[in-house]
Amino acid sequence: DAKTTQPTSMDCAEGRAANLPCNHSTISGNEYVYWYRQIHSQGPQYIIHGLKNNETNEMASLIITEDRKSSTLILPHATLRDTAVYYCIVRAAGNQGGKLIFGQGTELSVKP
Amino acid sequence: DVKVTQSSRYLVKRTGEKVFLECVQDMDHENMFWYRQDPGLGLRLIYFSYDVKMKEKGDIPEGYSVSREKKERFSLILESASTNQTSMYLCASSLEDWHTEAFFGQGTRLTVV
Repeated sequence: DAKTTQPTSMDCAEGRAANLPCNHSTISGNEYVYWYRQIHSQGPQYIIHGLKNNETNEMASLIITEDRKSSTLILPHATLRDTAVYYCIVRAAGNQGGKLIFGQGTELSVKP
Repeated sequence: DVKVTQSSRYLVKRTGEKVFLECVQDMDHENMFWYRQDPGLGLRLIYFSYDVKMKEKGDIPEGYSVSREKKERFSLILESASTNQTSMYLCASSLEDWHTEAFFGQGTRLTVV
């Protein structure tokens, strides 16, 4: 499984865009990039995933570089409720399980 | 809404006890997972199952076993609990298609004394 590297922590002002980077330089051609977040005392929550094209949903946007070696999760208008640990995951391909391997994640603090 | 339900939110057990952590999902998902989460170590995969009676070891299976007799239920078993198994345990499930998202339970905080 490709490993990911994320900054340990980041701050963002409320109402501003939060841009969370992730490096995955050893990603293989059929591996997707997933983002999850974990708010304190809760289980992780899925945000978004993509292969090579940029993706957007109601929660966030995902920008993947052309060489696929890095990506950025964008929360367009961060709120205090977005304070959480954000995990970038490259998902193992295959027929069995598609297990998730979590790294250390980025602790995002949204400040008033 | 998809629900992944873990039987206990908090659990306190004694060293040497046999401990069962239960997880039930209501969306007919093929895949189920058990993770533990510790400060500074993040989430680590213990075991996962991609079908009834099928299981595979994750990164830290030592001291644990699992059981999946029915599709909706995935049990994590600590044969003889030890203090270093004090942790937050998280269960998750997903469809067989590995593209799809995984849904997590709220977690069980286990303390072994």
